[in-house]
Amino acid sequence: DTGVSQDPRHKITKRGQNVTFRCDPISEHNRLYWYRQTLGQGPEFLTYFQNEAQLEKSRLLSDRFSAERPKGSFSTLEIQRTEQGDSAMYLCASSIDRRGPITQYFGPGTRLTVL
Amino acid sequence: GQSLEQPSEVTAVEGAIVQINCTYQTSGFYGLSWYQQHDGGAPTFLSYNALDGLEETGRFSSFLSRSDSYGYLLLQELQMKDSASYFCAVRSGTGFQKLVFGTGTRLLVSP
Repeated sequence: DTGVSQDPRHKITKRGQNVTFRCDPISEHNRLYWYRQTLGQGPEFLTYFQNEAQLEKSRLLSDRFSAERPKGSFSTLEIQRTEQGDSAMYLCASSIDRRGPITQYFGPGTRLTVL
Repeated sequence: GQSLEQPSEVTAVEGAIVQINCTYQTSGFYGLSWYQQHDGGAPTFLSYNALDGLEETGRFSSFLSRSDSYGYLLLQELQMKDSASYFCAVRSGTGFQKLVFGTGTRLLVSP
C-alpha cells in the first residue's frame, strides 16, 4: 500500500498525559498537512510542512501542540498535557508540488480519546 | 476569513440524481474541491473546479460559479455505496496550501 499511513489508529489516554502521533506520507510528496476533525464537522487545518519546513500553523495549534518533520519524510504531532477537548480524529494528508489542482491525499487518521 | 455552507443532510433512493450545494465566502479564491468521507474513513478527493462551469468524472460532476460564490456536486445513478459525507473545500492561507472545509453534507441512499 503506497498511501498515507498513520500510527496509531486509536489512542486512549488520561487527561494530562502526553501523546505522539506519526504520519508517513506518500513517498514522493513534499507537502504534509495535519488536520483535526470532530464528529459531524469537516476537517480543521492545524499545520503544514513543505519538505522539513513548517510553513503555516493554525491558531488552533496551542502551545501544547507541536509538529515536526525532521527529514522531510515522516511527521510527528505531539500533544502535551492532553485535555478532554483534544478528543478528536487527527488526520494527516500529503500532496506534491505540481501545476494545476493540488490534491491532498488523506491517511486513515488517529482517533484520540482523552478520559 | 473563509466560510462554506452546505446542507446538513440529503436523502435519495438508488438510481436517483442528487445535487449537493455549497456557497462560500473567501478573502481569495483558488478553486473549489469536493471530498467524500465514509463513516470511519479518510476523506478522499472527488473533484476540483478552478474555473466556471461543469467538470464531469464518471457518475460525479461538479459545477462552479465564481460570480455567485457557489458550487455543487452532482451525483448520478446513485448507489448504496454513495452513502457518505461530502465536503466542499477551498484553498486558503500562505500560498493557498491549506484546505478550509465546509461542515459537510451527509447523503443517505436508500433502496
